[in-house]
Amino acid sequence: DTGVSQDPRHKITKRGQNVTFRCDPISEHNRLYWYRQTLGQGPEFLTYFQNEAQLEKSRLLSDRFSAERPKGSFSTLEIQRTEQGDSAMYLCASSLRGPAGTTNEKLFFGSGTQLSVL
Amino acid sequence: GEDVEQSLFLSVREGDSSVINCTYTDSSSTYLYWYKQEPGAGLQLLTYIFSNMDMKQDQRLTVLLNKKDKHLSLRIADTQTGDSAIYFCAETGEGYSSASKIIFGSGTRLSIRP
Repeated sequence: DTGVSQDPRHKITKRGQNVTFRCDPISEHNRLYWYRQTLGQGPEFLTYFQNEAQLEKSRLLSDRFSAERPKGSFSTLEIQRTEQGDSAMYLCASSLRGPAGTTNEKLFFGSGTQLSVL
Repeated sequence: GEDVEQSLFLSVREGDSSVINCTYTDSSSTYLYWYKQEPGAGLQLLTYIFSNMDMKQDQRLTVLLNKKDKHLSLRIADTQTGDSAIYFCAETGEGYSSASKIIFGSGTRLSIRP
């Protein structure tokens, strides 16, 4: 078990370009989350999956953002027509959702992808 | 709405105890967490406490919960240089079914002076 891995670690792009990030969760984890973190702030929830189903999206997630987890394993987050305001650290986390009634959810985070939009 | 607040900075001398404080607004919070983030890294879960507890100790870490005042603290005994990081408080509501209920504070940057 190598933990949650994210690729790339850094991405610099020009405004208007599309970017795609990848997250590989811990293998036995059924839940996968995307968060966004800006300087001096805590992570803000964007979306999450249980297996391959995308169960919730934050209102922070505009139509330019799309996430997939096609086989219930790795996930991709795509941002179309990037804007300077999209510059942030994009964090992926995974967890193992237990039986019904288990609400303690320990998130394991990757190191993030730092996006800079010029 | 739900909110988690922390002071932004804390400076302590090496070997002293560090106490990082957090207040939250969601009275239905079931679990409260402390995460640590080192430069260039993701968040690492340090410890958590269930809301029916008022204290939890784990080696050098002690978590105190005052549910009445909605106040959570993390005490690090014998603070070392390796403890330098940003510490995030997070809370989650009872019986929630979505990750959006995990609310993080803005983080407290702990710096250690010799």
